[in-house]
Amino acid sequence: GNSVTQMEGPVTLSEEAFLTINCTYTATGYPSLFWYVQYPGEGLQLLLKATKADDKGSNKGFEATYRKETTSFHLEKGSVQVSDSAVYFCALRSNTGNQFYFGTGTSLTVIP
Amino acid sequence: EPEVTQTPSHQVTQMGQEVILRCVPISNHLYFYWYRQILGQKVEFLVSFYNNEISEKSEIFDDQFSVERPDGSNFTLKIRSTKLEDSAMYFCASSDLQGNNQPQHFGDGTRLSIL
Repeated sequence: GNSVTQMEGPVTLSEEAFLTINCTYTATGYPSLFWYVQYPGEGLQLLLKATKADDKGSNKGFEATYRKETTSFHLEKGSVQVSDSAVYFCALRSNTGNQFYFGTGTSLTVIP
Repeated sequence: EPEVTQTPSHQVTQMGQEVILRCVPISNHLYFYWYRQILGQKVEFLVSFYNNEISEKSEIFDDQFSVERPDGSNFTLKIRSTKLEDSAMYFCASSDLQGNNQPQHFGDGTRLSIL
């Protein structure tokens, strides 16, 4: 079946620290992988995506590489800001259906 | 940038009552979805809707639930006889194209509290 496992939170970092949020997946077929972000009081916003193995998605300084060999899609940012404080969700969409499969979300707090 | 809008932002309902959650998808989108997130748990798929019919639904989406597109803009989720365990955040989403590489655009959610 399809599932996503992501790193438990919460994560607290100082401004300008390096961020990694781990995400691994199980999927049938050839999924596309996504990271969504949820800022306080708002909905889920697409952060980045990758649609095939070895693709790198990037946006707003965040990056994630689709690694088929390790079934991973870890989110990274070299220097976080206070404004990056949010909940981050890893998700996959298989090529056999319409639905997204989400991880549990990882809460990130960045302190000045 | 176009948005998916959901109303109300918070709904409080007595157990056993019916509730309707409303969504206005992005105007040129054709595919519509409902998800829910029980506090502290994963975001879970409920149902997808295309061409005025359900295209896929999860085990959660039982006879208690129904969806409707009553006009050209709204997409609603009805829960017929609410239970305590229906308390959750409900997210509506839409997308314009089929295909697993297409993102879904989400609304801000409706927090449903069943008393």
